[in-house]
Order: sequence, then structure tokens, then C-alpha cells
Amino acid sequence: KAGVTQTPRYLIKTRGQQVTLSCSPISGHRSVSWYQQTPGQGLQFLFEYFSETQRNKGNFPGRFSGRQFSNSRSEMNVSTLELGDSALYLCASSRTVNTGELFFGEGSRLTVL
Amino acid sequence: AQTVTQSQPEMSVQEAETVTLSCTYDTSESDYYLFWYKQPPSRQMILVIRQEAYKQQNATENRFSVNFQKAAKSFSLKISDSQLGDAAMYFCAYRRAGSEKLVFGKGTKLTVNP
Repeated sequence: KAGVTQTPRYLIKTRGQQVTLSCSPISGHRSVSWYQQTPGQGLQFLFEYFSETQRNKGNFPGRFSGRQFSNSRSEMNVSTLELGDSALYLCASSRTVNTGELFFGEGSRLTVL
Repeated sequence: AQTVTQSQPEMSVQEAETVTLSCTYDTSESDYYLFWYKQPPSRQMILVIRQEAYKQQNATENRFSVNFQKAAKSFSLKISDSQLGDAAMYFCAYRRAGSEKLVFGKGTKLTVNP
């Protein structure tokens, strides 16, 4: 059974650009959530989606957005990139809400120059 | 707001020995879940163990066990018979019932010495 797949694994952008990251959850999983991991701030919650609906959003500026498609795949977008957006972005999926266990992908490493 | 605190940025243990990682949390909720996640250098987070707050019995998964003290809001992880493959960052996490949002601690880097 394939795990959570995130693409791209690595990317380099410059300030002011935008980026889109993709996450394919485990087959049958309908809940997807996103986290930002940085050395300074640690792991911070970005969004949570279930059945194409955003159920929860973390404390991030409006430049961070996301969506979920009918096949449960999810994308997140960061516009007008800043140096501080450099991070590992992790996606996690679960079969449904309130199951207790999230399965994480390997992440997308974003570097902003 | 819920917070999770891991007071040990780094820990080390000899192979085959036992180590305990500490975690405290703060919440006003009564229904929640607690987790320990492991993140090896390859970066993929793996669930080690979970504990439902309504269960008094401490969770155990093979060599991993927790000491859950609800009144003290403490949730420590004990690793017995430590193995080289246990070397990783360990994150304590909290989730309120009804939400998929995890609140993580800053992590503890565990080194296992041969």
C-alpha cells in the first residue's frame, strides 16, 4: 500500500515567487492536513481538509492557501514568497476525522533565496 | 491555547539501555489524545505510540511505553532495550478530540551510542 506522496521533494524559489506543493494521501484516506517545520518554530499546523472542505486553519498569513480535490489529493500554495517561508512542508493523511493516527509524507523542502 | 513542552532538547542512551523522554502539556479540554512521533534523519514522521486521555491504562507498544499522568499533564516515553535504529527526533503531540490538528512539542533528539 503506497504511503503519503508529496511532490516535489525539493525546490528552490526566489522571494516574490509563488509555489504549489502537492500531496497524495494513502488510498482510502479522506482527511489531509499540512504542517510547516522549521528549526526555529518547530512543527506548526497549516490546514486540515476533509471531503474537499477546510475544517481548520492555523495561524498563518493569507499568502498560505490550500485546497482538496474530490480524489482527496491536496495542494497548498504560498504566494509572494518570503525568506522565512523556507521550511519542510509535511502533509499527513488519515482515513477520516477523529481516528487518532496521522500518516505523514516525507515532505517538500522549500528553500527561498 | 494548548501547548506541549519537551524540556530535553537532546538525550543520549547506550545501546540496550533504557531511556525516558519527558513531555508536559497544557489544556483545558477533557477529551484529547496524546502521541509520540519519531522522525529519523530521512524525515518521515512515524507514529510510535498513542494514548487516549480517557484511558487510565498506560499505552505500550513493544519496547515503547508511556507514563501518562493526567492530573499532572505529563506524558513521558520510555524506550527499553534501546537500539541503534531508535536514534531520531522524537516529538510529543497533542490533539483535541474532534480535530485533526496536532500541537507538537519542540522535539528531543535521541542519540543511541553503540
